[in-house]
Amino acid sequence: ETGVTQTPRHLVMGMTNKKSLKCEQHLGHNAMYWYKQSAKKPLELMFVYNFKEQTENNSVPSRFSPECPNSSHLFLHLHTLQPEDSALYLCASSPVGVENGELFFGEGSRLTVL
Amino acid sequence: GNSVTQMEGPVTLSEEAFLTINCTYTATGYPSLFWYVQYPGEGLQLLLKATKADDKGSNKGFEATYRKETTSFHLEKGSVQVSDSAVYFCALTLGDSNYQLIWGAGTKLIIKP
Repeated sequence: ETGVTQTPRHLVMGMTNKKSLKCEQHLGHNAMYWYKQSAKKPLELMFVYNFKEQTENNSVPSRFSPECPNSSHLFLHLHTLQPEDSALYLCASSPVGVENGELFFGEGSRLTVL
Repeated sequence: GNSVTQMEGPVTLSEEAFLTINCTYTATGYPSLFWYVQYPGEGLQLLLKATKADDKGSNKGFEATYRKETTSFHLEKGSVQVSDSAVYFCALTLGDSNYQLIWGAGTKLIIKP
């Protein structure tokens, strides 16, 4: 496999469930990102990890919990979500930072919270 | 604050039509500017970029020129194809924060045969 891979592609969960989104990159990058994409809104940066250390948390509610065990893997643990959390969650990576503006995105995990 | 404003979509065109998607920005300092494209069912991918005033980015027949005087970075293509149907995002980075791309809301483009 190449690029950035996200699983699952689709997820439906109740408000009391606990689930996780997984992201894996095969590009040798050192920075990984979680974004939330909602219709007709700019992408919302949620978390950034650089060399496995969290460097950004954009005031994300604690019901979203990221984990980065190594530079190739990123998880987003979900618990007690709300219906307004339904969105497309995108993972991205870059060599280090976004100095040249190029992020490499996965195809996203479409989350529906009932 | 820093922001990116794109024309609201969807934009619907016939094949071979000329395309313009407007993008204007507000930024302190000297931003770099980008267009990303998201094809149906896929993640975003970088389409083109420009890092200083008067630079022209180009790729796959698309072009955009960094206009500092009008704070704009409009995306153009001379003859669109059905395969260009996608959502297009304008974005900027200031270089003062290595992890922040500031995004527009995206413009959906629909090309009819």
